[in-house]
Amino acid sequence: DTGVSQNPRHKITKRGQNVTFRCDPISEHNRLYWYRQTLGQGPEFLTYFQNEAQLEKSRLLSDRFSAERPKGSFSTLEIQRTEQGDSAMYLCASSLGQLNSPLHFGNGTRLTVT
Amino acid sequence: AQSVAQPEDQVNVAEGNPLTVKCTYSVSGNPYLFWYVQYPNRGLQFLLKYITGDNLVKGSYGFEAEFNKSQTSFHLKKPSALVSDSALYFCAVRDIGDDKIIFGKGTRLHILP
Repeated sequence: DTGVSQNPRHKITKRGQNVTFRCDPISEHNRLYWYRQTLGQGPEFLTYFQNEAQLEKSRLLSDRFSAERPKGSFSTLEIQRTEQGDSAMYLCASSLGQLNSPLHFGNGTRLTVT
Repeated sequence: AQSVAQPEDQVNVAEGNPLTVKCTYSVSGNPYLFWYVQYPNRGLQFLLKYITGDNLVKGSYGFEAEFNKSQTSFHLKKPSALVSDSALYFCAVRDIGDDKIIFGKGTRLHILP
């Protein structure tokens, strides 16, 4: 168990650029979640996958955000035409399929949009 | 929809004293409840969970939490605080029939030496 891995750890981009983050979950976990965390707030749910299927997406999520998990293993989160309000920590978590299974989080990708 | 509230932004406790971090929740059915801890520039680490059974659940690093259904609360406790317990603590809830976990806004725990 090598834990959940996220890359890059930090990303600085200019407003209007596209960015992509990667998450590698714990290998036997079939569920993968993306959350966003801003300063002084708890993690905010964005979307989640069971294997390669994206099962739920937050209504708060702009159309500029898209996530994929093409082979049911790693996942990518892309933000198009970034805005300063997108600056946040983006957290990935994985879990087994049971509802009582806790989430295991990566260390996050900190995005700064200038 | 489920929700969780952490009424205290910060809790200060002297080292060696007992600590409590409060959490209340709202769900439509029976809840799954979790506590996580976050250290600076790190992801969240799982501490403990309540699914069913005993109202007092024990977790990592000497922490425990008490589930109270009538008060819809799940307070985090530790009998004797350590300076190293200083961190950000999040309560989270998953409603039966819903796959996502919703987090509170967090409580910063500051243990004074």
